[in-house]
Amino acid sequence: GENVEQHPSTLSVQEGDSAVIKCTYSDSASNYFPWYKQELGKRPQLIIDIRSNVGEKKDQRIAVTLNKTAKHFSLHITETQPEDSAVYFCAASIAGSGGGADGLTFGKGTHLIIQP
Amino acid sequence: DTEVTQTPKHLVMGMTNKKSLKCEQHMGHRAMYWYKQKAKKPPELMFVYSYEKLSINESVPSRFSPECPNSSLLNLHLHALQPEDSALYLCASSQDAYRVDQPQHFGDGTRLSIL
Repeated sequence: GENVEQHPSTLSVQEGDSAVIKCTYSDSASNYFPWYKQELGKRPQLIIDIRSNVGEKKDQRIAVTLNKTAKHFSLHITETQPEDSAVYFCAASIAGSGGGADGLTFGKGTHLIIQP
Repeated sequence: DTEVTQTPKHLVMGMTNKKSLKCEQHMGHRAMYWYKQKAKKPPELMFVYSYEKLSINESVPSRFSPECPNSSLLNLHLHALQPEDSALYLCASSQDAYRVDQPQHFGDGTRLSIL
């Protein structure tokens, strides 16, 4: 099955600086890569996603890049703010046996701490 | 506000009890999922329903029994659970059961404690 590795496990940055979180996946058939933000005691919230036919996607201060050849993808947050502090999970999805909906395989998460 | 609603928010039960977790969405999504999340860990997939049919069971013990009565509802029936089953149980849904690149939207979860 799919295996997703995520680094670093903890990332502390000064407010206003950029943060980068990296993930690698094992199965070349994976074709969908979402990122979720989870605050303490709350549900995972989708912040951005990328499909395998796209190399980069940006939404305001957040961007994701995908390198299919190397099987890795990254989350970039610019101009970090205190409210960006949370746990961030990357994930990968692969077609199920019937070619239909499949669950997500998550990385272990990165605890992002924004220092004021 | 989340569009996937889970009840109850908290549940405490003994190992001999039978209880059910409920999940509801009215977005017309045709794929629904159960995940289990332990503290400081990522969500782990348990079950996937596509068009109200169980399509994936990730080798979950039989003390967890999913049910999808209709396209808007997903239940998880619990019986004879163990203390290690204490966790946050998350429900999610996505629009198209035949595409894997659809965003999954999560509910707030049910925090389950087994005494």
